[in-house]
Amino acid sequence: DTAVSQTPKYLVTQMGNDKSIKCEQNLGHDTMYWYKQDSKKFLKIMFSYNNKELIINETVPNRFSPKSPDKAHLNLHINSLELGDSAVYFCASSPSLGRGLGTETQYFGPGTRLLVL
Amino acid sequence: AQTVTQSQPEMSVQEAETVTLSCTYDTSENNYYLFWYKQPPSRQMILVIRQEAYKQQNATENRFSVNFQKAAKSFSLKISDSQLGDTAMYFCAFMSLRYNNNDMRFGAGTRLTVKP
Repeated sequence: DTAVSQTPKYLVTQMGNDKSIKCEQNLGHDTMYWYKQDSKKFLKIMFSYNNKELIINETVPNRFSPKSPDKAHLNLHINSLELGDSAVYFCASSPSLGRGLGTETQYFGPGTRLLVL
Repeated sequence: AQTVTQSQPEMSVQEAETVTLSCTYDTSENNYYLFWYKQPPSRQMILVIRQEAYKQQNATENRFSVNFQKAAKSFSLKISDSQLGDTAMYFCAFMSLRYNNNDMRFGAGTRLTVKP
């Protein structure tokens, strides 16, 4: 009955490979996000989607491509992995976009630790 | 762009005592949300408390309360009766409501250790 789930939890791969991280939420939320947490624990937003529409697209390399097949899923595909991509990637969701009604609060998945060798 | 500053990289507190974690932010907006998230060693990000900027009353959740000073742009978290399970990284976050995109920015975090 996990609210926001991510697979895999751990991912170890070689430089140059392509990998995907999947995220699913069963909360009925409209909005989903991807964050990156670096080795110093700093959290930064990468992307957000609302009802499958891209809303936030921060300055990340275009090797990172989010895909939202439906509003309950937001997957992250990473091409040509580099050493600097090693981090923990968090998926999150919120009921909807901000209208000041308290529906903006974000709930996080357990994170995926990616290690690029 | 909004910035969030947590000036205490690490703090410690004795079990059952009270500790306050600091957070300041910079914004020109009048309407926004502020959050504290907790990240224990399990790595899970857990929402601790939320404050709406238009509310003057400070938010509380059981042993957790905030001191929201809008004019000073300060948003500190007070943990009362600290428990060993409170040991975690604590992140302060600012969410702008200007562009209707739930853009949330985090501080660098404070590592809190509760000592027995």
